Amino acid sequence: DAMVIQNPRYQVTQFGKPVTLSCSQTLNHNVMYWYQQKSSQAPKLLFHYYDKDFNNEADTPDNFQSRRPNTSFCFLDIRSPGLGDAAMYLCATSRDAADTQYFGPGTRLTVL
Amino acid sequence: AQSVTQPDIHITVSEGASLELRCNYSYGATPYLFWYVQSPGQGLQLLLKYFSGDTLVQGIKGFEAEFKRSQSSFNLRKPSVHWSDAAEYFCAVGAMEGSARQLTFGSGTQLTVLP
Repeated sequence: DAMVIQNPRYQVTQFGKPVTLSCSQTLNHNVMYWYQQKSSQAPKLLFHYYDKDFNNEADTPDNFQSRRPNTSFCFLDIRSPGLGDAAMYLCATSRDAADTQYFGPGTRLTVL
Repeated sequence: AQSVTQPDIHITVSEGASLELRCNYSYGATPYLFWYVQSPGQGLQLLLKYFSGDTLVQGIKGFEAEFKRSQSSFNLRKPSVHWSDAAEYFCAVGAMEGSARQLTFGSGTQLTVLP
């Protein structure tokens, strides 16, 4: 059974056109994370939610926003995608702050 | 700040041969260490983790890793590689930052398995 689900798996958008990526989880975990992984690079943390508490990484561009309307869902909004934002976006969850993170399958974003 | 080094960008082994992937970390306190595997176009799957206790950790798919504090290493091993093990492998160190344990990943090792 899928535990961390990301939709869509592939997303194509145009330069400057807002896009939203979705993550849901059936684990009832408190913490949800968004990572960006560019081609042939390691995943890089953008931000995380501990319950409703939002925590932004210092170097995450303002172009990236997130929403967590309830425990199960978390969204990544890219307000004005640039060519440099083309990447795999990974969602992860953990039961609590110190616990192991479990990753979803990712959304591959292409910016035309 | 913590960091992870995976010295081998790409490793090629024959099916049935043994495998060791290297990982060195830098962290001021006792590290929480992880190995993840990523198949093409997929997310990360946890292979194993070390938090404390026995320094030899067993994981899924026949993988194991050994934590060596004196060498700041957490190398991943498998005695006999299968073709399905071809993937990218990431070592990560976890450190508490604010309200969550933040993972810092190495740059990854791409594994090719020859028939």
